[in-house]
Amino acid sequence: QKEVEQNSGPLSVPEGAIASLNCTYSDRGSQSFFWYRQYSGKSPELIMSIYSNGDKEDGRFTAQLNKASQYVSLLIRDSQPSDSATYLCAVNRSRGSQGNLIFGKGTKLSVKP
Amino acid sequence: KAGVTQTPRYLIKTRGQQVTLSCSPISGHRSVSWYQQTPGQGLQFLFEYFSETQRNKGNFPGRFSGRQFSNSRSEMNVSTLELGDSALYLCASSTSTRVDTQYFGPGTRLTVL
Repeated sequence: QKEVEQNSGPLSVPEGAIASLNCTYSDRGSQSFFWYRQYSGKSPELIMSIYSNGDKEDGRFTAQLNKASQYVSLLIRDSQPSDSATYLCAVNRSRGSQGNLIFGKGTKLSVKP
Repeated sequence: KAGVTQTPRYLIKTRGQQVTLSCSPISGHRSVSWYQQTPGQGLQFLFEYFSETQRNKGNFPGRFSGRQFSNSRSEMNVSTLELGDSALYLCASSTSTRVDTQYFGPGTRLTVL
């Protein structure tokens, strides 16, 4: 089992729709969960962090965490063409330094005008 | 506040050469982590430095090394370059109290011929 798994996509949604991105992780002791957005040819940009079970909203973005199911998701409401990018899920390791993040391979999102 | 800076942005080297990459973290950030990103493997953790000490190391050969200076700037070195070392090398910085919340620099694109 991979440590952090994401559907590679591409996920295609029409402009204005809700995009739903999912991530599962294997380390039950992980406490910190992150979503990064990476445009083609650019570096990852941190867009959301979540540490507790439930939902966390920031503008059009909502992160959801379910530690019992080892599942993290990102919802993007009112999707815009500018949201087209690869979204990376990252999880910290429960052992060793907290500075070692494990990344999924990312889900490519395409928002069609 | 200025973001993470990395130099150089692009490098072309030949097999067997060595290379040194530099990273300056966000002002006030004392933790620096390095990652390698390739299309096949995604983002993989190389090492993390805090207060000039390597706290964690990923599963990379000894040809990959790094260090951190007293001003928190960090360098990584790759010796005896191989074709497979071609990748985007990313540096991320974080505060001492939240080392898992990482902000990436623009990266150094290394091509090994």
